[in-house]
Amino acid sequence: GQNIDQPTEMTATEGAIVQINCTYQTSGFNGLFWYQQHAGEAPTFLSYNVLDGLEEKGRFSSFLSRSKGYSYLLLKELQMKDSASYLCAVRNQAGTALIFGKGTTLSVSS
Amino acid sequence: DAGVIQSPRHEVTEMGQEVTLRCKPISGHDYLFWYRQTMMRGLELLIYFNNNVPIDDSGMPEDRFSAKMPNASFSTLKIQPSEPRDSAVYFCASRPTPGQGFDGSTDTQYFGPGTRLTVL
Repeated sequence: GQNIDQPTEMTATEGAIVQINCTYQTSGFNGLFWYQQHAGEAPTFLSYNVLDGLEEKGRFSSFLSRSKGYSYLLLKELQMKDSASYLCAVRNQAGTALIFGKGTTLSVSS
Repeated sequence: DAGVIQSPRHEVTEMGQEVTLRCKPISGHDYLFWYRQTMMRGLELLIYFNNNVPIDDSGMPEDRFSAKMPNASFSTLKIQPSEPRDSAVYFCASRPTPGQGFDGSTDTQYFGPGTRLTVL
């Protein structure tokens, strides 16, 4: 079966750092993705991990531990525009499809 | 490229009516995906195609739902008859064959703007 868990909501203030966790239990694994989705818009790609460790991309970083079935997305120097839903997704063994978690809604306040 | 195109953007219909959602993937992409998003269930994969052939339709909720891809540039998702519980945002996404991504390093999916379906 497939099970991907993330917190439903998080809040933070401008300039702060926030970490959004994701745990997964899936029948196959071929990479973990993070997508950002602003209200009323489509999801857009943020980051991708296939090996253990940290991938840094500007203000955003993503970490993966395959043995623990765990990932996190780290957002630094938060801005108001970072208020959005963040979706964790696991790619299937064949590398063809993504299974998404329900997403974490992040609210950034001034 | 214009990206993934979906139509209509909004659809309001009455229970029992047939609904057809349309998608044009990014040119050159071999994979096409249909998702449904609701507050309760999140973003669910319904079905996906590779080279116009359905690969996995295990996410299609029931026989009222059907999807076709007659050619590389067009796909439809049909609901007949529609029910109020089908109300959701339906996204189409496409991606190239693994290892041939446009950005060269990841095999990400590109989503269309979605169709917001309301069944009364």
